[in-house]
Amino acid sequence: GDSVTQMEGPVTLSEEAFLTINCTYTATGYPSLFWYVQYPGEGLQLLLKATKADDKGSNKGFEATYRKETTSFHLEKGSVQVSDSAVYFCALDMDSNYQLIWGAGTKLIIKP
Amino acid sequence: DSGVTQTPKHLITATGQRVTLRCSPRSGDLSVYWYQQSLDQGLQFLIQYYNGEERAKGNILERFSAQQFPDLHSELNLSSLELGDSALYFCASSVGQGIKNIQYFGAGTRLSVL
Repeated sequence: GDSVTQMEGPVTLSEEAFLTINCTYTATGYPSLFWYVQYPGEGLQLLLKATKADDKGSNKGFEATYRKETTSFHLEKGSVQVSDSAVYFCALDMDSNYQLIWGAGTKLIIKP
Repeated sequence: DSGVTQTPKHLITATGQRVTLRCSPRSGDLSVYWYQQSLDQGLQFLIQYYNGEERAKGNILERFSAQQFPDLHSELNLSSLELGDSALYFCASSVGQGIKNIQYFGAGTRLSVL
């Protein structure tokens, strides 16, 4: 079945470091892909999305490119800040479902 | 603020009890989704309603039930509670019923079963 695999956390970085959080997926078809972020004590919120191959989603300095050939949607940011500390979830959807398929989440800790 | 309101924020109860979690969606949103987030199982989709009707079911136990009322608020009922039901329960809402609609999440209800 459809699935999403994220790199295990926690990921600990220093402020201004480069961030990559890996996300790969398995799907029969052409899903849309999402990154959601959950800040401490809050619910999830959509960070960015891409709906077709080679699309790049971007928001708040974060980027992710939909790579069909490697079935990946890695999240990147050039220079992280302490305020980026959160849990990041990769997710996919297929048109045939009414539900998102979620990755396990990756906790990101940024140290000043 | 996402516009989705969940009450209560925290709930502490005992095994065997029954609780009700409430969700008010964003104004204008017709779909409501319920999720369970636990430490060992990540985020699990439970159930979705659209304009009062059940649309999709995920990993929802038979002890759990939900409904969406005419004013579009939703309630998740958890009965015969077990220790393993301790988790964060999130509600999300979206405009339409299709999954391409962006989901907006509430802050969650933290349930502790003792």
